Amino acid sequence: QVQLVQSGAEVKKPGSSVKVSCKASGGNFRNFAINWVRQAPGQGLEWVGGIIPVFGTTEYAQQLQDRVTITADEYRSTAYMELTSLRSDDTGLYFCARVPLPAAMRAYFDLWGRGTLVTVS
Amino acid sequence: EIVLAQSPGTLSLSPGERATLSCRASQSVSSNYLAWYQQRPGQAPRLLIYDASSRATGIPDRFSGSGSGTDFTLTITRLEPEDFAFYYCQQYGSSPLTFGGGTKVEIK
Repeated sequence: QVQLVQSGAEVKKPGSSVKVSCKASGGNFRNFAINWVRQAPGQGLEWVGGIIPVFGTTEYAQQLQDRVTITADEYRSTAYMELTSLRSDDTGLYFCARVPLPAAMRAYFDLWGRGTLVTVS
Repeated sequence: EIVLAQSPGTLSLSPGERATLSCRASQSVSSNYLAWYQQRPGQAPRLLIYDASSRATGIPDRFSGSGSGTDFTLTITRLEPEDFAFYYCQQYGSSPLTFGGGTKVEIK
């Protein structure tokens, strides 16, 4: 059974960077897109971006594309999301989520990590 | 960008009642590529419905999705205690992916 295991909580200063990891255990990693979705405290869901590991292709939300980079390490079955120039409104839970359709970037998400809390203060 | 408006913001119902949640898109959702998720406090979202009306694996049949174009509905026929949660719609027909603001289903 495939699981997405995310790295632990982070506390960062404004202006610094954070890199969150998402490891897929069990199952095929390289052919299925991993997306990142964030949730500010008490708020709704916001798409951040995604990557298809086998191709290395990425897509980003326009409002974040200057500050976010998503990468994948096929050998470690791990995806990463790095966010730079952190601000207080970047505080929130960051989820990784898998698209269940091979080689599709844009679709629904059938499998989610538990989330990584990033606090900017 | 397609904006998704969910209504109502909060739905107060009793166990056993029927819940009807709405998701309205600012423009037509391509191929009715719309999903619904449930999120309980402290948990990640869980996929309920995809392609507007297909139930995800393991989802009880009291959950159903309908609609097309710009108007979509999630129906829960008989609310169970574990169904009181937040619900989000998401469109994936065009970039960027967008989510609705959510509906909270609370116990009356």
